[in-house]
Amino acid sequence: NAGVTQTPKFQVLKTGQSMTLQCAQDMNHNSMYWYRQDPGMGLRLIYYSASEGTTDKGEVPNGYNVSRLNKREFSLRLESAAPSQTSVYFCASSELGFGANVLTFGAGSRLTVL
Amino acid sequence: AQKVTQAQTEISVVEKEDVTLDCVYETRDTTYYLFWYKQPPSGELVFLIRRNSFDEQNEISGRYSWNFQKSTSSFNFTITASQVVDSAVYFCALRSYSGAGSYQLTFGKGTKLSVIP
Repeated sequence: NAGVTQTPKFQVLKTGQSMTLQCAQDMNHNSMYWYRQDPGMGLRLIYYSASEGTTDKGEVPNGYNVSRLNKREFSLRLESAAPSQTSVYFCASSELGFGANVLTFGAGSRLTVL
Repeated sequence: AQKVTQAQTEISVVEKEDVTLDCVYETRDTTYYLFWYKQPPSGELVFLIRRNSFDEQNEISGRYSWNFQKSTSSFNFTITASQVVDSAVYFCALRSYSGAGSYQLTFGKGTKLSVIP
């Protein structure tokens, strides 16, 4: 099925460990996003990539890095995980930026940092 | 600054009751878009509706309806004859111009709806 695929779905890390969340979309969308969802906080934008080759910070970028590997793939890296990064992470894509286009979301990745 | 307020954190209704989820937004933009997304217990976010600021017509889709009122900066969502499958967290979102050629999509904190059989 067409859509946004995130891996892994679940991950437990120890403080200081690093990991990369992978995201791929097969809808030929130009723009991709990483959000985090925390209880009572809604969804907050971490980073986005308006088009292949560009990335920009969102509302909460500290502690994260991203790579737009190609048009399909957008990864999120935690270099030194902290308990404050315990969250559910969502990748999303859209045809073209934050226009009127609808965002299509992945199923989410639940990360726990001990 | 853009802001979306969903004042209702959690709502419980009995099956077949009608329920309205409130969404109030703030923006200085004259052209903007409003969205509703549903997040069922499975966790994935599902798009429900998009509305632009020039179209104040209310919309109905089956048991779902949306009331957009620019005068009160509200975009409320009503479910008629609720069903257990409607149990989910619902997010309202605002897309508006944030300056310097950029746009942003701001989500509310969500309303958790529980429909009790």
